Amino acid sequence: NAGVTQTPKFRVLKTGQSMTLLCAQDMNHEYMYWYRQDPGMGLRLIHYSVGEGTTAKGEVPDGYNVSRLKKQNFLLGLESAAPSQTSVYFCASRGPKDGYTFGSGTRLTVV
Amino acid sequence: DAKTTQPTSMDCAEGRAANLPCNHSTISGNEYVYWYRQIHSQGPQYIIHGLKNNETNEMASLIITEDRKSSTLILPHATLRDTAVYYCIVRVMDSNYQLIWGAGTKLIIKP
Repeated sequence: NAGVTQTPKFRVLKTGQSMTLLCAQDMNHEYMYWYRQDPGMGLRLIHYSVGEGTTAKGEVPDGYNVSRLKKQNFLLGLESAAPSQTSVYFCASRGPKDGYTFGSGTRLTVV
Repeated sequence: DAKTTQPTSMDCAEGRAANLPCNHSTISGNEYVYWYRQIHSQGPQYIIHGLKNNETNEMASLIITEDRKSSTLILPHATLRDTAVYYCIVRVMDSNYQLIWGAGTKLIIKP
């Protein structure tokens, strides 16, 4: 039981490049979330999903897209990376009344 | 959602009890108090949550005042590995609940 797994763990992108971050959970959780965390700040919600095939915008969705084609996977895409998207990205999942389980994060630098 | 107020930082001696306060004076009757922590560079970790009764688990105890306007997270025997940012979050636990993250309290355990 691995919990929540994020890939990759580190990535450097050039401005304008695209990439996809993968989040996988093996707990059969319905709810999944993508957050970003900038230095010295709390987490901010980018997008979330309440079940397979569903997605919704969070607090800071601009510049990101997501997909939840399979229940266990939640993908975060950056179509045209910008330096402002340099951050640590965390994925999380939870059951109906469970606490959140977080992945270990992806550190993204856009130069 | 009710807002929470936490001290920016706190120190505690190793082996002593760490008591982390949280004020949530506008909490409503159906809002739970959640505590998470984030050890440097890692994803946040769920600690405990409660509604109005005091709660205890293997990690910590949560003491909620009778009027529910404040709470205290207690780590009974703090170790150096408890150094982290601790987040107090208040939220309704409906099926679609989300957590809004503040800046938290930086707890430093000193040898």
